[in-house]
Amino acid sequence: DTAVSQTPKYLVTQMGNDKSIKCEQNLGHDTMYWYKQDSKKFLKIMFSYNNKELIINETVPNRFSPKSPDKAHLNLHINSLELGDSAVYFCASSPMSRGSVSLYFGSGTQLSVL
Amino acid sequence: AQKVTQAQTEISVVEKEDVTLDCVYETRDTTYYLFWYKQPPSGELVFLIRRNSFDEQNEISGRYSWNFQKSTSSFNFTITASQVVDSAVYFCALSEYGTSGSRLTFGEGTQLTVNP
Repeated sequence: DTAVSQTPKYLVTQMGNDKSIKCEQNLGHDTMYWYKQDSKKFLKIMFSYNNKELIINETVPNRFSPKSPDKAHLNLHINSLELGDSAVYFCASSPMSRGSVSLYFGSGTQLSVL
Repeated sequence: AQKVTQAQTEISVVEKEDVTLDCVYETRDTTYYLFWYKQPPSGELVFLIRRNSFDEQNEISGRYSWNFQKSTSSFNFTITASQVVDSAVYFCALSEYGTSGSRLTFGEGTQLTVNP
């Protein structure tokens, strides 16, 4: 069973569209994250939720809206997609929100905006 | 602000060679955690190791070993007798203890290519 799963794996869409990426973890973790990996492979945190509460919100355009219906799920909705949004988006989870814990990543969603 | 530098963008070796990936970090905290992740061509991020700032013991796991030196703010990763399957992008990362959320700061990654 996949510990952290995200869907879809690939997402190709036109500029201006709205799209969502879903993430689920079956590890019983309290904290979930979204990271963005750009074309140069650089990874940067976008959001973090702990028990459905937003605890990290980096400088991300408000076109990006995370939603956590329960602590096992963290979805990412993106409005009015732009070319610069093309990237790989990784969901991750950890047992708690302190800096000592290791993150478990999903396999990523490759978003291509045309 | 914390920062992680992986100065080697790309490394290419021949199978069975040993290779060391460098990682230098900056942080103001006395308590922090260092990580290495592997990203193979398939794209997933695989956790390799976590080390806290109070534990400077070197660690060995099979062909992998890690050298943590607080005096030089380095956390280097060595692969002994490299294999083609080691080809991947390797990321070093830093997390500060007690930060609201486990905010990992990643280095830019080192692309390792092991040729047969």
